[in-house]
Amino acid sequence: AQTVTQSQPEMSVQEAETVTLSCTYDTSESNYYLFWYKQPPSRQMILVIRQEAYKQQNATENRFSVNFQKAAKSFSLKISDSQLGDTAMYFCAFINGGATNKLIFGTGTLLAVQP
Amino acid sequence: KAGVTQTPRYLIKTRGQQVTLSCSPISGHRSVSWYQQTPGQGLQFLFEYFSETQRNKGNFPGRFSGRQFSNSRSEMNVSTLELGDSALYLCASSRQDSPNSPLHFGNGTRLTVT
Repeated sequence: AQTVTQSQPEMSVQEAETVTLSCTYDTSESNYYLFWYKQPPSRQMILVIRQEAYKQQNATENRFSVNFQKAAKSFSLKISDSQLGDTAMYFCAFINGGATNKLIFGTGTLLAVQP
Repeated sequence: KAGVTQTPRYLIKTRGQQVTLSCSPISGHRSVSWYQQTPGQGLQFLFEYFSETQRNKGNFPGRFSGRQFSNSRSEMNVSTLELGDSALYLCASSRQDSPNSPLHFGNGTRLTVT
């Protein structure tokens, strides 16, 4: 069975600083996708960034980037120049490459950006 | 373009009752999936529908059911409600049946069972 582990329940960062959120996963599949989702107090889950397992290049989206280590099954999220609006719960998620939209989520990391 | 719409936003029910939640996906999206979010169990996959067919089902009892209509709108039903069913229920839609198509989530329905 696939599992996703986020070992940091809470993190705090100063505005404009950089923070890294950790995620590890376990799967025997070779074709899969990894995601980071953000859930602010408004409750809506927002896609931050995604990574295809077959791509060696790390994905980046503006201030957000990932460090994808396939052999170590690690998928960390780096947020640069943190902003107050980044305060939210962050979930790491995994999906198989087959015909499915079944996301497997980690337990989440609550990130607080301090002014 | 309107986002994923879930109704109602809040719901209070009594144990033993049943409840129906509704999800209207983004126009053109054919896949709709449902998730339950609780403080104890986190986010868990309930089921997924694609073109009116249930394609995947999570590990939930038969009291949880769903369906999808020809316009891709989806409903989920929970019968004989238990206190443990109190949760935020999230619906997500995507354009295709491939993980390359990102999931778009709604704001959820907060269900409280008393």
